[in-house]
Amino acid sequence: DQQVKQNSPSLSVQEGRISILNCDYTNSMFDYFLWYKKYPAEGPTFLISISSIKDKNEDGRFTVFLNKSAKHLSLHIVPSQPGDSAVYFCAASAFGNQFYFGTGTSLTVIP
Amino acid sequence: EAGVAQSPRYKIIEKRQSVAFWCNPISGHATLYWYQQILGQGPKLLIQFQNNGVVDDSQLPKDRFSAERLKGVDSTLKIQPAKLEDSAVYLCASSLGGRGRTEAFFGQGTRLTVV
Repeated sequence: DQQVKQNSPSLSVQEGRISILNCDYTNSMFDYFLWYKKYPAEGPTFLISISSIKDKNEDGRFTVFLNKSAKHLSLHIVPSQPGDSAVYFCAASAFGNQFYFGTGTSLTVIP
Repeated sequence: EAGVAQSPRYKIIEKRQSVAFWCNPISGHATLYWYQQILGQGPKLLIQFQNNGVVDDSQLPKDRFSAERLKGVDSTLKIQPAKLEDSAVYLCASSLGGRGRTEAFFGQGTRLTVV
């Protein structure tokens, strides 16, 4: 049972434009959400997080939005850069317990 | 600050053989995780330690997988005997732990191929 879903396996965006990566979850008890970035042959690298008490968190070019009623979160990257090309995973946890990961979205930023 | 260290990076074994992976977490991190990532899927938790105690091993195939974390620091994950479907990347991660909202930091992973 996949509790965290990323329905878009891949996304291509022109350099300088906005990249929007989406994630849906089913467990209403999730209270902490994270985005990880993964390059080939490397482990996932933490990117940004958001607690369920917020609906937005921003860090430089990266912004995560949380819509609890829709059980949906999204990652916005503005402006997108070629170095952002990677696989992005969203993850969620409840009460500090294990992280559940989505299947990932492969982002390609075209120069 | 040193990251999470894992070894080996790659391992190829025949089915029914045994294999062990090693992980050294970030210093001071109480929580250690082992994840299995099969190609095309997201990481799936196998086992979670808090110091040297097991917090969650509900998804660990205990008939063939075992893990230990001696002295609450390093950890080893063992598979005995291996099956073809165990081919995956095994990721170790650590976090400050407790009930706080802290992210996990991952190692580079061990890519296991069972032939």
